[in-house]
Amino acid sequence: DTEVTQTPKHLVMGMTNKKSLKCEQHMGHRAMYWYKQKAKKPPELMFVYSYEKLSINESVPSRFSPECPNSSLLNLHLHALQPEDSALYLCASSQAPRPSAGELFFGEGSRLTVL
Amino acid sequence: DAKTTQPPSMDCAEGRAANLPCNHSTISGNEYVYWYRQIHSQGPQYIIHGLKNNETNEMASLIITEDRKSSTLILPHATLRDTAVYYCMHGGSQGNLIFGKGTKLSVKP
Repeated sequence: DTEVTQTPKHLVMGMTNKKSLKCEQHMGHRAMYWYKQKAKKPPELMFVYSYEKLSINESVPSRFSPECPNSSLLNLHLHALQPEDSALYLCASSQAPRPSAGELFFGEGSRLTVL
Repeated sequence: DAKTTQPPSMDCAEGRAANLPCNHSTISGNEYVYWYRQIHSQGPQYIIHGLKNNETNEMASLIITEDRKSSTLILPHATLRDTAVYYCMHGGSQGNLIFGKGTKLSVKP
């Protein structure tokens, strides 16, 4: 199994809603990542978890709250988002503890629209 | 932060070799060069990586210059399915992989 599974594929939410994006991998990888991608732009790193601990937070606003319940799961909790947060949210995992030291496996992304 | 420079777009005829250049003059001695691609509306896909020597796998070849300040990704026989945005990257100062702007490769019949 070499897949990273993200749910939901599409999400529409209002600015006052609370929702979560989920990511799962069963490759035994010990590092997991959230990237944000706006239309026609490259992915931007948001968070990195290494061995289930947050190791990198790229100055992401607190309305995005990551959680890593175990080594296979990664969540991104969303609250009080703004319309400009509408984007494709990509999850990735890697065997290596840091993204520059090994291949990243990406999911297909969750497309978020904030109304 | 790590930065790479790639041409914004390139065209290639189907069946011909596609040569995608990348400049990475700020690369550190122990950082790998990575290439990923992203087909429209999909997650990025790993292609190949290398440190100093040229590398080849079933998807592509990677040629790294001796000073490691630039590299070229070669798709030997491009097909229409290779149409994608190709990203060249290396590790940032904190070990995080930072995507550059990429090259949009269009393979045409």
